[in-house]
Amino acid sequence: QKEVEQDPGPLSVPEGAIVSLNCTYSNSAFQYFMWYRQYSRKGPELLMYTYSSGNKEDGRFTAQVDKSSKYISLFIRDSQPSDSATYLCAMSVNAGGTSYGKLTFGQGTILTVHP
Amino acid sequence: EAQVTQNPRYLITVTGKKLTVTCSQNMNHEYMSWYRQDPGLGLRQIYYSMNVEVTDKGDVPEGYKVSRKEKRNFPLILESPSPNQTSLYFCASRWGSQETQYFGPGTRLLVL
Repeated sequence: QKEVEQDPGPLSVPEGAIVSLNCTYSNSAFQYFMWYRQYSRKGPELLMYTYSSGNKEDGRFTAQVDKSSKYISLFIRDSQPSDSATYLCAMSVNAGGTSYGKLTFGQGTILTVHP
Repeated sequence: EAQVTQNPRYLITVTGKKLTVTCSQNMNHEYMSWYRQDPGLGLRQIYYSMNVEVTDKGDVPEGYKVSRKEKRNFPLILESPSPNQTSLYFCASRWGSQETQYFGPGTRLLVL
């Protein structure tokens, strides 16, 4: 069993829809949770970074962490064609800093938002 | 402009022919990593480095070597490439927290 599971999709939605992307994990030591966005032929870029349980909002994006269920989500409101990309969840036991802070990634979900 | 660069971006080679993929960052970052990305498997870490001359294995180090002689450069070496190393490779760097991590644009490698 993978440490982090993510539905690869693909997911296709109309413009303006609310998108929900999810990951489950098995390692209860994970405390730092990230969402990366990867456009075609580009490297991943950090979209959201959260610590422990709770919600974090940034514009149209909301990251949600439920540590009791070992479940994280990314919601995209009013989705746009420019949101079409692969979304990767990633997790870490520690924040980095003076220790390495190894990242464990999900498989990625391919999202297409059509006009 | 702050960036991580990789070269080459695309490479086709044959089994057994040694190759090096270069990675360079201009942000004075201490931490650098190499990942490979394969369909259905996501990103998996190959090697990482916490500073000059300090490197360690990630999850899938077999068949790869790295070196960190200068802070800005972290080359990935495939001494004897095999077809199962056909993949998309990413270099990444960060200063401290995961929040500062930057990825390079990727190198697509095909080993025949």
